[in-house]
Amino acid sequence: QKEVEQNSGPLSVPEGAIASLNCTYSDRGSQSFFWYRQYSGKSPELIMFIYSNGDKEDGRFTAQLNKASQYVSLLIRDSQPSDSATYLCAVQGAQKLVFGQGTRLTINP
Amino acid sequence: NAGVTQTPKFQVLKTGQSMTLQCAQDMNHNSMYWYRQDPGMGLRLIYYSASEGTTDKGEVPNGYNVSRLNKREFSLRLESAAPSQTSVYFCASSENPVGGFQETQYFGPGTRLLVL
Repeated sequence: QKEVEQNSGPLSVPEGAIASLNCTYSDRGSQSFFWYRQYSGKSPELIMFIYSNGDKEDGRFTAQLNKASQYVSLLIRDSQPSDSATYLCAVQGAQKLVFGQGTRLTINP
Repeated sequence: NAGVTQTPKFQVLKTGQSMTLQCAQDMNHNSMYWYRQDPGMGLRLIYYSASEGTTDKGEVPNGYNVSRLNKREFSLRLESAAPSQTSVYFCASSENPVGGFQETQYFGPGTRLLVL
């Protein structure tokens, strides 16, 4: 079992709808969780991090963490074509982050 | 404040050649990382340095060596390049107080390496 798993997609969502991206992890001791966005040919950039169970909102983005079920999700409200990118989930490991393989998201106008 | 910089941006090597990828950060971060990214594989950690003077292997260290030259700089060396090392290489850094929460990693622009 991979340490961090994501559906590689592609996930296609109409413009204006909610995009939901999911990630599961295997290490119950993980304490910090990150979502990065990566445009084609560019480097990853941080969208959000979350440390506590529950929801954390930042503009159109909401991160959700459920440590008991070992999953973390990212919701994007009012999706825009500019949200089309690969989204990487990252989970704290020992002195380093462990990344999932990423989910490719396409927002259709 | 340039963040994380990497050189070169693009490189073509022949099998067996050597090269060093350079990375520098100006954020006074403790920890630095080297990743490779291949299609469908996400980011895989090659080596990392939790603090100046220390380095540790990541998930895919074979064929690579690293040097944490000082707090700012962390280089990755390919001694004898192989076609399997064709990839995009990213350097990253983070603050990371020892024993604390893993903090945000900031990435450089990447180096695209082609080994023929």
